[in-house]
Amino acid sequence: SQTIHQWPATLVQPVGSPLSLECTVEGTSNPNLYWYRQAAGRGLQLLFYSVGIGQISSEVPQNLSASRPQDRQFILSSKKLLLSDSGFYLCAWTNTRAGQSYEQYFGPGTRLTVT
Amino acid sequence: ILNVEQSPQSLHVQEGDSTNFTCSFPSSNFYALHWYRWETAKSPEALFVMTLNGDEKKKGRISATLNTKEGYSYLYIKGSQPEDSATYLCASDNYGQNFVFGPGTRLSVLP
Repeated sequence: SQTIHQWPATLVQPVGSPLSLECTVEGTSNPNLYWYRQAAGRGLQLLFYSVGIGQISSEVPQNLSASRPQDRQFILSSKKLLLSDSGFYLCAWTNTRAGQSYEQYFGPGTRLTVT
Repeated sequence: ILNVEQSPQSLHVQEGDSTNFTCSFPSSNFYALHWYRWETAKSPEALFVMTLNGDEKKKGRISATLNTKEGYSYLYIKGSQPEDSATYLCASDNYGQNFVFGPGTRLSVLP
């Protein structure tokens, strides 16, 4: 069976510090991978998605970046955090097959507070 | 970027009541629509993936319909229970790559 891991679960970081959130998927190969953020009182905002190793698409310009160094590993980074980066970050994956839409499976999330 | 909207933003119902809420999305270049349930302190979980105009799907007391020509989907909950309390999200699937989520409908079922 497939599982998705995210860490850390919670993080408190000062403004201007770097960030690295990691997401790994087990039990599947060549998944599409996604990073979402939910800011306080708002819905899910897609930040990045990846259809393969080294392939990253950015949905929203910001001071965050993403990388996919391995097939089932997705990393969200920042060189200098802003207060506005606070929120709940979710990683998700889907199966892929042309012409079909598959449900997304979400990780447990990371609660980031920038102080 | 697609604009997906949901209404109402929140609602409170009594246990046993039936309820429904709406998701609207651009009807042009439609590919698929997803519904998710997001309970507090948990991760979103998929309810339905809908692709065809006129689709109607059901899971227990929850069902959903899809109208791709006019760009809306309804989610129905029959006989609401306290465990149905959650935020219900819909998302438009852009050809299996990126997803655009609506802001969600927060449902509270009072015992």
